[in-house]
Amino acid sequence: GQNIDQPTEMTATEGAIVQINCTYQTSGFNGLFWYQQHAGEAPTFLSYNVLDGLEEKGRFSSFLSRSKGYSYLLLKELQMKDSASYLCAVLDSNYQLIWGAGTKLIIKP
Amino acid sequence: SQTIHQWPATLVQPVGSPLSLECTVEGTSNPNLYWYRQAAGRGLQLLFYSVGIGQISSEVPQNLSASRPQDRQFILSSKKLLLSDSGFYLCAWSILAGGYNEQFFGPGTRLTVL
Repeated sequence: GQNIDQPTEMTATEGAIVQINCTYQTSGFNGLFWYQQHAGEAPTFLSYNVLDGLEEKGRFSSFLSRSKGYSYLLLKELQMKDSASYLCAVLDSNYQLIWGAGTKLIIKP
Repeated sequence: SQTIHQWPATLVQPVGSPLSLECTVEGTSNPNLYWYRQAAGRGLQLLFYSVGIGQISSEVPQNLSASRPQDRQFILSSKKLLLSDSGFYLCAWSILAGGYNEQFFGPGTRLTVL
């Protein structure tokens, strides 16, 4: 079967750094996406990794290790507006997105 | 630029009533189209996807159906709603190009079945 695991919920402090992990077991791999979803809204694209290594985009970075079936999303200089759910999704061998359940990130002042 | 529309934004329906949710995409041709459902505090559940007019793949057996009467129109329907059909329904589109398949989401429809 196909499986994507993320922590259900994390809490961090404004101004700090937080790392959200994602592990996956899928039939094939054609890339990994991170999306952000604020409560009651649609998910929006954050990052895409298809090769091993770190992709940096402003305060957000995403890392991928294909051999370990592992990715993380790193958020720096946390702001209150970063309070949201973060969804990890993997493109399988059929180019279908397999979604994790999401990690709810709570930012405290 | 591409845009995706969904309506209505919110809907309250009694059990046993029919359902029709519509999704349209502008600014692109022959997109892949998707219907997802998200229960409160949960992840995305893929319901249907379509790679072309009249081509629908169902991921989960249920009392819902989907149709794609035009290239950029995707409709989600039910003849008789169940309480368990309540949730946040999201339509998405993508273009598979060079192995890259980013999905773009519409604003969603929040359905409450009473």
